[in-house]
Amino acid sequence: NAGVTQTPKFQVLKTGQSMTLQCAQDMNHNSMYWYRQDPGMGLRLIYYSASEGTTDKGEVPNGYNVSRLNKREFSLRLESAAPSQTSVYFCASSVTGNTEAFFGQGTRLTVV
Amino acid sequence: AQRVTQPEKLLSVFKGAPVELKCNYSYSGSPELFWYVQYSRQRLQLLLRHISRESIKGFTADLNKGETSFHLKKPFAQEEDSAMYYCALSGDYKLSFGAGTTVTVRA
Repeated sequence: NAGVTQTPKFQVLKTGQSMTLQCAQDMNHNSMYWYRQDPGMGLRLIYYSASEGTTDKGEVPNGYNVSRLNKREFSLRLESAAPSQTSVYFCASSVTGNTEAFFGQGTRLTVV
Repeated sequence: AQRVTQPEKLLSVFKGAPVELKCNYSYSGSPELFWYVQYSRQRLQLLLRHISRESIKGFTADLNKGETSFHLKKPFAQEEDSAMYYCALSGDYKLSFGAGTTVTVRA
């Protein structure tokens, strides 16, 4: 019972490097989300995808891009990493926007 | 725009004491509200949602549309309740979270 799977779990990047965080869900959910978690800031929505083929900006989209590759997969890309993007990133999915969301285990990203 | 406010970042209570976590929201439509919990080294998971009106692990939350609040309450805190709690609002196809409250229950 995989649920929501994120890769990698840990990553260290140098400033200016790029990388893609992968997320896949096996629950046939329509909606998928990317959040970042920072101390004192809670979970902030970066991008979301209400359904396959659509993506929308959340609260803090600058410096990120996303791709809803298919119904299962929703990737987050950092084109030119900055120290301010050091955070824990969570992917989540739900049947629709107003149903229970299921979360991945998180990716701890450090940009030096 | 939708917004969720959790005014308390930290909350410390003694075992057996009541605990209340505050949550206020702003949203122009009819919101769906949730409480999520993150225990140490575990994934974020749903604790309860207002629409189901059920009690989970002794926690309850009442939606007060007049005060735009969805406070979480438990009459007798247990040590296993120590965790990070997030209030969340679903509207316009997206799920927004508050800043979270870290609860510590002391023996």
